[in-house]
Amino acid sequence: EDKVVQSPLSLVVHEGDTVTLNCSYEVTNFRSLLWYKQEKKAPTFLFMLTSSGIEKKSGRLSSILDKKELFSILNITATQTGDSAIYLCAVRDMEYGNKLVFGAGTILRVKS
Amino acid sequence: NAGVTQTPKFQVLKTGQSMTLQCAQDMNHEYMSWYRQDPGMGLRLIHYSVGAGITDQGEVPNGYNVSRSTTEDFPLRLLSAAPSQTSVYFCASRRTSGLGTDTQYFGPGTRLTVL
Repeated sequence: EDKVVQSPLSLVVHEGDTVTLNCSYEVTNFRSLLWYKQEKKAPTFLFMLTSSGIEKKSGRLSSILDKKELFSILNITATQTGDSAIYLCAVRDMEYGNKLVFGAGTILRVKS
Repeated sequence: NAGVTQTPKFQVLKTGQSMTLQCAQDMNHEYMSWYRQDPGMGLRLIHYSVGAGITDQGEVPNGYNVSRSTTEDFPLRLLSAAPSQTSVYFCASRRTSGLGTDTQYFGPGTRLTVL
């Protein structure tokens, strides 16, 4: 059975801190791993990772994938209150119609 | 482009009632899917479709029906609502060929409460 596990489940930090969010997975036939940010409504896309060791960056956010150890991390440096959200990790499994399997999410709260 | 639209935004039902959640996209995406999101469980796939006329079950299909008569629309029907179906429902779509096939676009969600 496909499984995506995120840790920690929740996190409270102060503005300016750096955070690392973790995502480990077990899927039948891995195609890609995606990170989403969800504030009040629908998730918004952050990154898609398909190859090990290649860091994706967008401003203060970065992410990397390790396909050997089956995990990914999402780093946020110099956190701001606007980073407060649920961060979702999802893995695309090429079996069963390329379904996307989501983790439960990490709730991040950044205090000013 | 409006992207992925969902209606209604909020709905309250009584146990046993039926209703349809609407989803439409104007990006000509072949793949559409419905998720439910519950606290601590992330997003779970209910049903999905890889094109008009083709649907399949996801992880939690019981109590829900779907159809895909056009590329644009993918309604989700609750046959006989139960309190366990209280959740936030998201519709999503993506391409299945060419560039950007892994980027999934989500609708704004429907918050459903079943009393």
